[in-house]
Amino acid sequence: KQEVTQIPAALSVPEGENLVLNCSFTDSAIYNLQWFRQDPGKGLTSLLLIQSSQREQTSGRLNASLDKSSGRSTLYIAASQPGDSATYLCAVLNDYKLSFGAGTTVTVRA
Amino acid sequence: NAGVTQTPKFQVLKTGQSMTLQCAQDMNHEYMSWYRQDPGMGLRLIHYSVGAGITDQGEVPNGYNVSRSTTEDFPLRLLSAAPSQTSVYFCASSYKAQGINSPLHFGNGTRLTVT
Repeated sequence: KQEVTQIPAALSVPEGENLVLNCSFTDSAIYNLQWFRQDPGKGLTSLLLIQSSQREQTSGRLNASLDKSSGRSTLYIAASQPGDSATYLCAVLNDYKLSFGAGTTVTVRA
Repeated sequence: NAGVTQTPKFQVLKTGQSMTLQCAQDMNHEYMSWYRQDPGMGLRLIHYSVGAGITDQGEVPNGYNVSRSTTEDFPLRLLSAAPSQTSVYFCASSYKAQGINSPLHFGNGTRLTVT
């Protein structure tokens, strides 16, 4: 059974600091890894998707890396803003099933 | 473009009652899925479908039924509600189950309380 872990569970940083969010998974036979953002009381919004054959993906201030062999992914958010405050979840896809981590709740202080 | 639409947004049930959570998508997505989200436990997959007429169980299927008679709709049925089914339920879809650059799109959720 795939187990996905996100550390830390919560993070508070001053505005402008770079954010580093970690995700680890136990079964490296994944099809892809996805990072999502969830605002309170809302659904999840897809941020980045990395195919298993890729090492990283970038979108604006966001960059996600994938090391499949070690079962790790890292999401970097550059120059954080108060609007980046949310919960960030990673998920891995095996055999048509997506397994989620519990998320990292980020607070960016103005 | 409505995306993934879930109804109702909120529901309160008594133990033993049954109900159906509705999910519809207008993006012609093949893959649809249901998750429940509980504090500290992340999202857990209940059931999923890779196309019309095809459904399969996820991690926590007990107490729930699904069907997929059309590409657009994927309702989730609670057969006999229990307090342990109090949760936030999310429906999600993607173009392909395992397609290149096929991210999951989520609805806004249904908050269910069983008393």
